[in-house]
Amino acid sequence: GESVGLHLPTLSVQEGDNSIINCAYSNSASDYFIWYKQESGKGPQFIIDIRSNMDKRQGQRVTVLLNKTVKHLSLQIAATQPGDSAVYFCAENLSATGRRALTFGSGTRLQVQP
Amino acid sequence: NAGVTQTPKFQVLKTGQSMTLQCAQDMNHEYMSWYRQDPGMGLRLIHYSVGAGITDQGEVPNGYNVSRSTTEDFPLRLLSAAPSQTSVYFCASSYSRDSPLYEQYFGPGTRLTVT
Repeated sequence: GESVGLHLPTLSVQEGDNSIINCAYSNSASDYFIWYKQESGKGPQFIIDIRSNMDKRQGQRVTVLLNKTVKHLSLQIAATQPGDSAVYFCAENLSATGRRALTFGSGTRLQVQP
Repeated sequence: NAGVTQTPKFQVLKTGQSMTLQCAQDMNHEYMSWYRQDPGMGLRLIHYSVGAGITDQGEVPNGYNVSRSTTEDFPLRLLSAAPSQTSVYFCASSYSRDSPLYEQYFGPGTRLTVT
């Protein structure tokens, strides 16, 4: 398998700390958002999603916050673990188009220091 | 189930050469798609298919052809490779066109270099 590009913004955190990864999305009309995790040598894996009628959604150790006013998404990871080290992407979709196409952001590399 | 498989893992082409990137899934998924991922960028949709015999263009379709003769396979063809097509290519599938977008399974990717 293959990994993502080299020139990504990097967030370095200590194991056990909380991580916040940010994403600015492009289309103010987008109404569905997904966060993906991509480990080295693998394809993207779904983490959590949120619809535009929500501001916040929680999963297991992860929370997504949506600020439609400034077109901003954030992914919060609680008690970050070494296994969380990966590249994280947000993706957006405009469901009104009927198209299944997701538009991906450029990604952030999370490095967890033991 | 093997899930979504892609071959080859790596490929080097010379400008003007043609090749086909293979993608197969054994989950009986109707929907399949191809993305490319360039350094420092997210994935961009090339082509997608909502079922056998049906394909449509994504965000960056130029220079690529696809076909969907079977449910299982969705090959991506580069007719005349260009250096701008150097990228990592991901194939993805989901159960149907109506499946939630988050239910999309990605293959491991193919790294293509065009010199």
